[in-house]
Amino acid sequence: DAGVTQSPTHLIKTRGQQVTLRCSPKSGHDTVSWYQQALGQGPQFIFQYYEEEERQRGNFPDRFSGHQFPNYSSELNVNALLLGDSALYLCASSLTGLGHIQYFGAGTRLSVL
Amino acid sequence: QQQVKQSPQSLIVQKGGISIINCAYENTAFDYFPWYQQFPGKGPALLIAIRPDVSEKKEGRFTISFNKSAKQFSLHIMDSQPGDSATYFCAASWAGGYQKVTFGIGTKLQVIP
Repeated sequence: DAGVTQSPTHLIKTRGQQVTLRCSPKSGHDTVSWYQQALGQGPQFIFQYYEEEERQRGNFPDRFSGHQFPNYSSELNVNALLLGDSALYLCASSLTGLGHIQYFGAGTRLSVL
Repeated sequence: QQQVKQSPQSLIVQKGGISIINCAYENTAFDYFPWYQQFPGKGPALLIAIRPDVSEKKEGRFTISFNKSAKQFSLHIMDSQPGDSATYFCAASWAGGYQKVTFGIGTKLQVIP
């Protein structure tokens, strides 16, 4: 049973560029959440997708957007990258009605130069 | 705005000792309190969780103690082992539905032989 998988593992971008991160949820899960984890900090909630719609959003600017596909996989897009966007981006999946029990992927390490 | 406060941020314990990590929350609407364990290069993994109608939950060497009136909860790791060396996050959420998880800042635990 595959867990949550994320790609790519590492990414280096320059300021002003755009980036797309991808996530495949754990088998059977239909809800995907994205978190940003800065160095030495706990993960911060970005947004959550269910049935291809954004259901909740954290305190992140509109430069952060997402998408969920019919197969429940998801993408996180960040436009106009800033140095401060450098972080580990984590995807978590959960099952309908059990959104509080989240399983995390290993993350994508984004470095913005 | 830190809704879940965690301490200490780092902890060194000798092998066989007890590791204790403390957390406090502000929002009394939270009703699910998980602890996550994160190893370097990995995503957070759900370790143990508790609901506020229970004062203590034990799973193997890991115990959560919960004090609803004080809005505090703690993780105790008995007989700590070098393999327990990781970063531990306390968190809070609302059970069910579409729920984000609010994390503490994390505690880096080092268990020395």
